[in-house]
Amino acid sequence: GDSVTQMEGPVTLSEEAFLTINCTYTATGYPSLFWYVQYPGEGLQLLLKATKADDKGSNKGFEATYRKETTSFHLEKGSVQVSDSAVYFCALTNQGGKLIFGQGTELSVKP
Amino acid sequence: NAGVTQTPKFRVLKTGQSMTLLCAQDMNHEYMYWYRQDPGMGLRLIHYSVGEGTTAKGEVPDGYNVSRLKKQNFLLGLESAAPSQTSVYFCASIASVRGYGYTFGSGTRLTVV
Repeated sequence: GDSVTQMEGPVTLSEEAFLTINCTYTATGYPSLFWYVQYPGEGLQLLLKATKADDKGSNKGFEATYRKETTSFHLEKGSVQVSDSAVYFCALTNQGGKLIFGQGTELSVKP
Repeated sequence: NAGVTQTPKFRVLKTGQSMTLLCAQDMNHEYMYWYRQDPGMGLRLIHYSVGEGTTAKGEVPDGYNVSRLKKQNFLLGLESAAPSQTSVYFCASIASVRGYGYTFGSGTRLTVV
């Protein structure tokens, strides 16, 4: 079945460092891809999305490009802030509409 | 404010007790979902509904039941709670099957002792 694999955390970075969180997927057909963010004690918020190959999703300085040839959707940010500390989830939906999540990657940014 | 509301936010149950978690959305969304979140496992789908009066099993349905008697409400029941059901439960809804625009509730933290 469809699945999502993320790099394991926690990831600890200093403020202004470059961030990459790897995400690869297995799916039939043409899934839509998402990154969700969960701040401490809160629910999930949609960070960005891409619905077809080569699309780039972006929001709040974060970017991810839908790479069908490598079945990847890596999350990047050029300069992280302490306020970016959260758990990041990569996810996909396919024709059935169900959202399938990776295991999550915890990011901790130190001042 | 429009969104998904979950009640209660926290609950402690004894093994064998029953309870119902309520999810309410005011966006007229057709699709609603219940997930559980456990450390290192992401969110796993328990049950879902594609419209009023319909329900279907997700990835981890055992030990749970659901009902969608009204379009805006999706109830998750635990008939006989077990410690393995200690988790954070999230409800989500979307307008259409294309899947963008999922709205999540803020979660229910359940502990079964």
